[in-house]
Amino acid sequence: QQQVKQSPQSLIVQKGGISIINCAYENTAFDYFPWYQQFPGKGPALLIAIRPDVSEKKEGRFTISFNKSAKQFSLHIMDSQPGDSATYFCAASFTGGGNKLTFGTGTQLKVEL
Amino acid sequence: SAVISQKPSRDICQRGTSLTIQCQVDSQVTMMFWYRQQPGQSLTLIATANQGSEATYESGFVIDKFPISRPNLTFSTLTVSNMSPEDSSIYLCSARGGGTEAFFGQGTRLTVV
Repeated sequence: QQQVKQSPQSLIVQKGGISIINCAYENTAFDYFPWYQQFPGKGPALLIAIRPDVSEKKEGRFTISFNKSAKQFSLHIMDSQPGDSATYFCAASFTGGGNKLTFGTGTQLKVEL
Repeated sequence: SAVISQKPSRDICQRGTSLTIQCQVDSQVTMMFWYRQQPGQSLTLIATANQGSEATYESGFVIDKFPISRPNLTFSTLTVSNMSPEDSSIYLCSARGGGTEAFFGQGTRLTVV
């Protein structure tokens, strides 16, 4: 019940295209859903996060869409750039669970010229 | 955002020895965590480092193998004890301030030979 399932495992997108990564969860107690970006040899960096009281959050080229009834959320990267090539992790946590993050399995994104 | 520094950034150790990883945060934080990440894999929570008390370990991780200290609100250490090649991994420190955002150090890449 603590799992967060992420897909796809890898993704290749052309420069300027839209990258879409999906996550699904089971635990309805989760109340915080961040996305992290990780470059090789670096720690994960917080990209954008959402709470279940809103269905969408946009920051620049990055948008989270959240579907509470389906228990799914997704990351959209608009106008994808080669510099976006990285591994992306979705995660979830809940206040009553000590705010511990449960991570998805990760998506390796490659943006080609 | 909090800046998290980890030392060492990488190390190669002999089996049977122990390594202590240090994590320093540039501001006081309420919560600190330690994660393990196999190369190309997701993050697995080892334990929550509690200030002034014993760490809280996740299933599959024990204090004898991964002793943790947190003497104050900005510093924590993780020791990997009696190492075997299976302990080769990336170890990440994470911190959370008063809000929900969690930040990560750059990680310590450990190779056990």
